Amino acid sequence: DAGVTQSPTHLIKTRGQQVTLRCSPISGHKSVSWYQQVLGQGPQFIFQYYEKEERGRGNFPDRFSARQFPNYSSELNVNALLLGDSALYLCASSLWTGSYGYTFGSGTRLTVV
Amino acid sequence: QQQVKQSPQSLIVQKGGISIINCAYENTAFDYFPWYQQFPGKGPALLIAIRPDVSEKKEGRFTISFNKSAKQFSLHIMDSQPGDSATYFCAASREDSSYKLIFGSGTRLLVRP
Repeated sequence: DAGVTQSPTHLIKTRGQQVTLRCSPISGHKSVSWYQQVLGQGPQFIFQYYEKEERGRGNFPDRFSARQFPNYSSELNVNALLLGDSALYLCASSLWTGSYGYTFGSGTRLTVV
Repeated sequence: QQQVKQSPQSLIVQKGGISIINCAYENTAFDYFPWYQQFPGKGPALLIAIRPDVSEKKEGRFTISFNKSAKQFSLHIMDSQPGDSATYFCAASREDSSYKLIFGSGTRLLVRP
């Protein structure tokens, strides 16, 4: 069975640009969560979506947005990129809403220059 | 109250030794305490988890010890192997905001042959 797949794996963007990251959950999983992991730190929660509805949002500015599609895949968008947005962006899927039974993808490494 | 504090930041253990990583939390509403293992270039993978109604949980060489009164929990890796060399994160979540995990800052474990 395929795990959580994220694309692209690596990305380099310039300050002020916009970026879209993609996530495909494990088949049958209806919930997708996004986390930001800055180098040397633990992941920080950004969003959770369940059945295409936002169920939770972390302490991130409005430059961060996300959505979930009918096939349960998800996109994370970040506008007006800052140097501090450089991080590993992780997607996690689970059967239901909540943090139990998360399976993380390998992430997208975003570098803002 | 939302923080999870993890120590040590790094740990070096000889092969066959016991690795011990500690975490402390403030929010008594937390009711789910997982440990994640992360290898370079990969997303975190769930290792073992515990709920506060249990004081200890063992899975193979990995054991979680939980002290509810002290608001602390720890991961013990018995017979540590070089393949266990990775970064370990503790985390916590609460049922009424169960959509997000609060992660510790991580412990880099190196097991020497």
